[in-house]
Amino acid sequence: GDSVTQMEGPVTLSEEAFLTINCTYTATGYPSLFWYVQYPGEGLQLLLKATKADDKGSNKGFEATYRKETTSFHLEKGSVQVSDSAVYFCALSPTPMDSNYQLIWGAGTKLIIKP
Amino acid sequence: DTAVSQTPKYLVTQMGNDKSIKCEQNLGHDTMYWYKQDSKKFLKIMFSYNNKELIINETVPNRFSPKSPDKAHLNLHINSLELGDSAVYFCASSLRQGSSPLHFGNGTRLTVT
Repeated sequence: GDSVTQMEGPVTLSEEAFLTINCTYTATGYPSLFWYVQYPGEGLQLLLKATKADDKGSNKGFEATYRKETTSFHLEKGSVQVSDSAVYFCALSPTPMDSNYQLIWGAGTKLIIKP
Repeated sequence: DTAVSQTPKYLVTQMGNDKSIKCEQNLGHDTMYWYKQDSKKFLKIMFSYNNKELIINETVPNRFSPKSPDKAHLNLHINSLELGDSAVYFCASSLRQGSSPLHFGNGTRLTVT
């Protein structure tokens, strides 16, 4: 079945460092790919998405490119801030959709940014 | 003007008790969900309702019973609580089945002692 694999955390970086959180997937068809972020004490919120190969999603300085050849959707940011400390989830939406649509979630990667 | 709100935020109770968590969304969405997040942050879908109709019912104990009185509300009732039920429960909604993004509530932290 479809699955999402994320790098294990926690990932600890200093402020202004470059961030990469790896995400790879297995899926049949042409899934859509997402990154969600969960700040401490809050629910998840969509950070960015890409719906087809070579699409780049971007938001709040974060970027991820849908790479079909490597089945990856790695999250990157050029210069992280303390406020980026959160748990980041990679997810995919299988296609074609059926009546039992549900997102397939990665295990989450905790990011800790030190000042 | 909270989009997806759930109550209570914290729930501490003893084994064997029955408790409910309520969820309401004011986004006009057709589809609502319950997720369970364990201590390692792993997310697992429990239920999905579309226009008050149960769509997804993952393998959860039948002590868990969702109820959707209307499409803006999805409540979760848990009977005979067990230690292993301790987790954070998230309600979420989406415009319709299969659409993104999901909008999440801020979670209910359930602790069973």
